[in-house]
Amino acid sequence: EVQLVESGGGLVQPGGSLRLSCVVSGFTFSNYHMTWVRQAPGKGLEWVANINLDGSDSYYVDSVKGRFTVSRDNAKNSLYLQMDSLRAEDTAVYYCARDPRLPDYWGQGTLVTVSS
Amino acid sequence: DVVMTQSPLSLPVTLGQPASISCRSSQSLVFSDGNTYLNWFQQRPGQSPRRLIYKVSNRDSGVPDRFSGSGSGTDFTLKISRVEAEDVGVYYCMQGSHWPPTFGQGTKVEIK
Repeated sequence: EVQLVESGGGLVQPGGSLRLSCVVSGFTFSNYHMTWVRQAPGKGLEWVANINLDGSDSYYVDSVKGRFTVSRDNAKNSLYLQMDSLRAEDTAVYYCARDPRLPDYWGQGTLVTVSS
Repeated sequence: DVVMTQSPLSLPVTLGQPASISCRSSQSLVFSDGNTYLNWFQQRPGQSPRRLIYKVSNRDSGVPDRFSGSGSGTDFTLKISRVEAEDVGVYYCMQGSHWPPTFGQGTKVEIK
């Protein structure tokens, strides 16, 4: 069974940092590009970032460029999102998903709240 | 960025009746490999998104056959042949043909 489990969310002050993790199982992690998608409270879905198979290439939505960094550890079946200089508008549930073009499996999400 | 426009944004439906959601993209979604990366997702209240349809018309495993997708180029449609109570939620189209991937605003399906 394919599973993606996010963790690392929480309450952080503006300007602070958080590192999200997504541990996967049930498929060969190193064979898939991976992506992060977020959803602000009561709002729609927004793609945030994705990373290629070996972690050598990544893409970001303009609003997080220079502040967020996506990475992966294929030996640990894990995807990460390092979030720095957080802003109130980054408040959202963050989902990891498999395959940016055809996201078929999603995690349950982890809530990030940026507030003083 | 490719803009995905869904209509309607709210869709009250009577149980057992059909429902249809339109999704239009600001440019063609035909990718260089010949595929059209247009997906449909269902998000029930309090749950993660679930993919229903991929590449326009392919139904995911376990998705009831009352769900169907169609379209080409820039115009796409998700149809529910007979709405059931478990279909309540928000439906999103999403394109993966152009970077960055983008989603429609979502269509909220509710029972009248």
